[in-house]
Amino acid sequence: KNQVEQSPQSLIILEGKNCTLQCNYTVSPFSNLRWYKQDTGRGPVSLTIMTFSENTKSNGRYTATLDADTKQSSLHITASQLSDSASYICVVSAYGSNDYKLSFGAGTTVTVRA
Amino acid sequence: GAVVSQHPSRVICKSGTSVKIECRSLDFQATTMFWYRQFPKQSLMLMATSNEGSKATYEQGVEKDKFLINHASLTLSTLTVTSAHPEDSSFYICSASLLRGAAGEFFGPGTRLTVL
Repeated sequence: KNQVEQSPQSLIILEGKNCTLQCNYTVSPFSNLRWYKQDTGRGPVSLTIMTFSENTKSNGRYTATLDADTKQSSLHITASQLSDSASYICVVSAYGSNDYKLSFGAGTTVTVRA
Repeated sequence: GAVVSQHPSRVICKSGTSVKIECRSLDFQATTMFWYRQFPKQSLMLMATSNEGSKATYEQGVEKDKFLINHASLTLSTLTVTSAHPEDSSFYICSASLLRGAAGEFFGPGTRLTVL
């Protein structure tokens, strides 16, 4: 079972509208949680990185939240644009004694339509 | 932000040939580089972790003799797919890390491999 679950799997929104993506995780010990945007056929690009003590972080029209107690995160896209069409991937980092591991969510595919 | 490049961006080869993919960190020295594989509509799957000057650590199920990784310098890692077969066709993405686990990874643009 994947340790990082994202929902919804995909969604379609109209240009200018807002949307929220969800990420639930069971990874531990928690180090940080990242949201990436991946355009089709391209590598992921970092949007936000949050550590245990951070509840919210913004990057332009993208705002991520983190509740480390419930192990949930969300990514909110405000006033969506056509260029926001992409896959959004939640990645959780766990740090062990001498190594760290990344656990990837399956991603949410967002399609913005005019 | 930090820039990671990959070359080539796409490659088509015949079954049985070997293909080398380069990953470079352009404006920083990466202590660690990672290689991922991504199939259509799926998330990234870590193949191996590579530290400069030492042997790569492969994830379970990844054949180290088939996917050769060389990390000769702090700015260059290469992945060689040996004796490629059609099932090796995939999107290969590398990433580089400044501080292991702390600051995040910077991903390359990916290499689309098609084996005929």
